Amino acid sequence: DAGITQSPRHKVTETGTPVTLRCHQTENHRYMYWYRQDPGHGLRLIHYSYGVKDTDKGEVSDGYSVSRSKTEDFLLTLESATSSQTSVYFCAISESTGGGTPGELFFGEGSRLTVL
Amino acid sequence: AQSVTQLGSHVSVSEGALVLLRCNYSSSVPPYLFWYVQYPNQGLQLLLKYTTGATLVKGINGFEAEFKKSETSFHLTKPSAHMSDAAEYFCAVSGRVKLSFGAGTTVTVRA
Repeated sequence: DAGITQSPRHKVTETGTPVTLRCHQTENHRYMYWYRQDPGHGLRLIHYSYGVKDTDKGEVSDGYSVSRSKTEDFLLTLESATSSQTSVYFCAISESTGGGTPGELFFGEGSRLTVL
Repeated sequence: AQSVTQLGSHVSVSEGALVLLRCNYSSSVPPYLFWYVQYPNQGLQLLLKYTTGATLVKGINGFEAEFKKSETSFHLTKPSAHMSDAAEYFCAVSGRVKLSFGAGTTVTVRA
């Protein structure tokens, strides 16, 4: 199994508080991703990183920020959590193919966040 | 840009029957296509992938999928369903940097 660790695995917080989710990999893969999973929506990309300090927005990035200061760590921050951010968050990693396109994704176990 | 449409959010099959999950994609570049499976309270794991070459791709647990460029499809099949196949299945297409996922299809298997 790919070495991906997400923390915390479960968190309950209140509206307006900041929250940081951490993704740690031991595979030295170039690409790292944060997705959220909600019923009926599948997985939607929040932010991704293609290298240290290189990040970009996904399709549902509003209200989220990310940072990647080391290859192995990718942090997702909710500056002021809202109830609409209650979700299961998945980190994923990928190495590029020979053509530079990301190959298969390897997923963490998920972090379940509840915002009251 | 790329996107995926999975036809049918729920599929119910009898044990031993054919499993067919439909996926159509849209991509502005030659696509890499994937099927992932998610068991309850777990992350996603790769079932199979198409990159280049043979259009019929075999994966784990007896699943296979066929890439049909003319139909922009990548349907997933398994000849004989097993109770352990009950899960949620996601089709995904890779663009230049990121994967886009379909909404998922939940499979239930009747004894």
